[in-house]
Amino acid sequence: DQQVKQNSPSLSVQEGRISILNCDYTNSMFDYFLWYKKYPAEGPTFLISISSIKDKNEDGRFTVFLNKSAKHLSLHIVPSQPGDSAVYFCAASANSGGGADGLTFGKGTHLIIQP
Amino acid sequence: GAVVSQHPSRVICKSGTSVKIECRSLDFQATTMFWYRQFPKQSLMLMATSNEGSKATYEQGVEKDKFLINHASLTLSTLTVTSAHPEDSSFYICSATEYNSPLHFGNGTRLTVT
Repeated sequence: DQQVKQNSPSLSVQEGRISILNCDYTNSMFDYFLWYKKYPAEGPTFLISISSIKDKNEDGRFTVFLNKSAKHLSLHIVPSQPGDSAVYFCAASANSGGGADGLTFGKGTHLIIQP
Repeated sequence: GAVVSQHPSRVICKSGTSVKIECRSLDFQATTMFWYRQFPKQSLMLMATSNEGSKATYEQGVEKDKFLINHASLTLSTLTVTSAHPEDSSFYICSATEYNSPLHFGNGTRLTVT
């Protein structure tokens, strides 16, 4: 039973356009959500997070939106750049911080930015 | 910023041998460390959680006698894959946190068992 779902294994976006990566979750106990970016043969790097008390968090070109009623979050990257090509993992935690408890990850979405 | 160093990055071993993977926090005290495993095109799956000085807590389905985790200090955790078999070939990633701060990940270890 997958508690965090990223239903798009891959996404291709033209450089300069907006990339939207989606994530759904089933566990209503999750209260903290994170996005990680991962290059091949490297560990994930933290990108942006959002607490369940918010519905939007913005950091530069990256914005995460949370719709608690729909148990859905999305990551928007605008404008998309070639260096954004990577696998993006959505992760969730029931510990309001993602620290002391292990995270539950989605399967990832491979974002490809086309020139 | 915080850095987690994982070593080795790649290892090839023969079936039946044991392999040790190290995970070090370089500029913070890792009160909790996590070990994940990733199969191709799969999610990162949590294997176990270890708190410094305590026995690791393993996730359901993970054999604790096969995947030995030691977290003897606040900066070092090790994962030993004992009597490795080809099906243990995978990408193993550690992460660490100081109390409830966000996780920092190592760069992973690609294990190939021949």
